[in-house]
Amino acid sequence: AQSVTQLGSHVSVSEGALVLLRCNYSSSVPPYLFWYVQYPNQGLQLLLKYTTGATLVKGINGFEAEFKKSETSFHLTKPSAHMSDAAEYFCAVTVGTGGFKTIFGAGTRLFVKA
Amino acid sequence: NAGVTQTPKFQVLKTGQSMTLQCAQDMNHEYMSWYRQDPGMGLRLIHYSVGAGITDQGEVPNGYNVSRSTTEDFPLRLLSAAPSQTSVYFCASSSRGNYGYTFGSGTRLTVV
Repeated sequence: AQSVTQLGSHVSVSEGALVLLRCNYSSSVPPYLFWYVQYPNQGLQLLLKYTTGATLVKGINGFEAEFKKSETSFHLTKPSAHMSDAAEYFCAVTVGTGGFKTIFGAGTRLFVKA
Repeated sequence: NAGVTQTPKFQVLKTGQSMTLQCAQDMNHEYMSWYRQDPGMGLRLIHYSVGAGITDQGEVPNGYNVSRSTTEDFPLRLLSAAPSQTSVYFCASSSRGNYGYTFGSGTRLTVV
């Protein structure tokens, strides 16, 4: 069965600094990988996804993630943090066709300091 | 563009009561899922559906029922509410071959 581990329940960065949120997965077959963002009192919004092809995936709001099969990782990065990036971020994995039965990590809350 | 609509947004139940959380989507998505979100645990899959008339269990199905009579609607029924079901519930949908969910805004349920 697949699983997702997000390293660090809380991450704090200064405005303008690099954002790095870590995600490792386990899957016996090639996975589909996702990052979602959740702002307070809202639902989740898809940031980016990896299905097939290029391993460096660009998403909305300047975020990107790289699929590294050898490391079973899918870390999320953004070169320069903005105050509006403060939110909770979830890594997720899906195995099988269709994209249903997605498993989520526990989430990482990003704090951005002025 | 309504997307995924969940009702109600907030609900307080007494232990033992039953209720139905409503979920509707207007995007003609084949796949729909229910998740619960608890602090420090991320989202856990309760039930999912790959089309009208087809449902299956996720990670934490006990105490919940679902049905899918139409493509648009996927209600979640709590049979006999328990305090352990206090949570935020999210409905999500996706289309076949277009990976990634569209989420509703959630229902915050408190069982006392």
